[in-house]
Amino acid sequence: DIVMTQSPDSLAVSLGERATINCKSSQSVLDTSNNKNYLAWYQQRPGQTPKLLIYWASTRESGVPDRFSGSGSGTDFTLTISSLQSEDVAVYYCQQYYTTPLSFGGGTKVDIK
Amino acid sequence: QEQLVQSGAEVKKPGSSVKVSCKASGGTFSRHSIGWVRQAPGQGLEWMGGISPILGKTNYAQKFQGRLTMTADETTTTAFMELSSLRSEDTARYYCARGRKQWLEREYDLWGQGTLISVSS
Repeated sequence: DIVMTQSPDSLAVSLGERATINCKSSQSVLDTSNNKNYLAWYQQRPGQTPKLLIYWASTRESGVPDRFSGSGSGTDFTLTISSLQSEDVAVYYCQQYYTTPLSFGGGTKVDIK
Repeated sequence: QEQLVQSGAEVKKPGSSVKVSCKASGGTFSRHSIGWVRQAPGQGLEWMGGISPILGKTNYAQKFQGRLTMTADETTTTAFMELSSLRSEDTARYYCARGRKQWLEREYDLWGQGTLISVSS
């Protein structure tokens, strides 16, 4: 099974500043036949359901603000919020969908400093 | 508007079973897989398993093998998750989520509102 490890567990960033979340998989989630990384990022605001932000490691879901970006390949990935807004306070999860069982990282809580 | 609507909260006794429904509307049910994800109070997301109605495939996480059953009814566009031999550790909010395509190995682009299952004697 693929284990997803996120860091840090939590971070506090000033409004307008950059937030960076890391995600590492225990084995590669890159399919070399199509050069796609089977990695998604979700946002879960307090009291709400998870929401898809990024898939294929770097493709933004429709309607997601462009301050959210994903990068990385193979086993190491990053979610960046370029300019933190108050509505970005949430827990962020990475997920691999390369193979079953699918798996999520433990989550990173983002707060305002 | 596409949405997944889940059944309501339930309180169950240890050792009993629970069956949660997830009705899809506004989209094409058979073109997507459905995954089930649970979240214990104050905890992270845990993948339980998934079902692809059109491919006739299911896959369950090892820890739930033997007490988890996922089914889907294409005529009513409803997916079901049944968990048996409930214990207190199963207290959680259970989400259904739609896979982008029919394969189990896809991202979840639409989520149900969640169903709170409480297990207590």
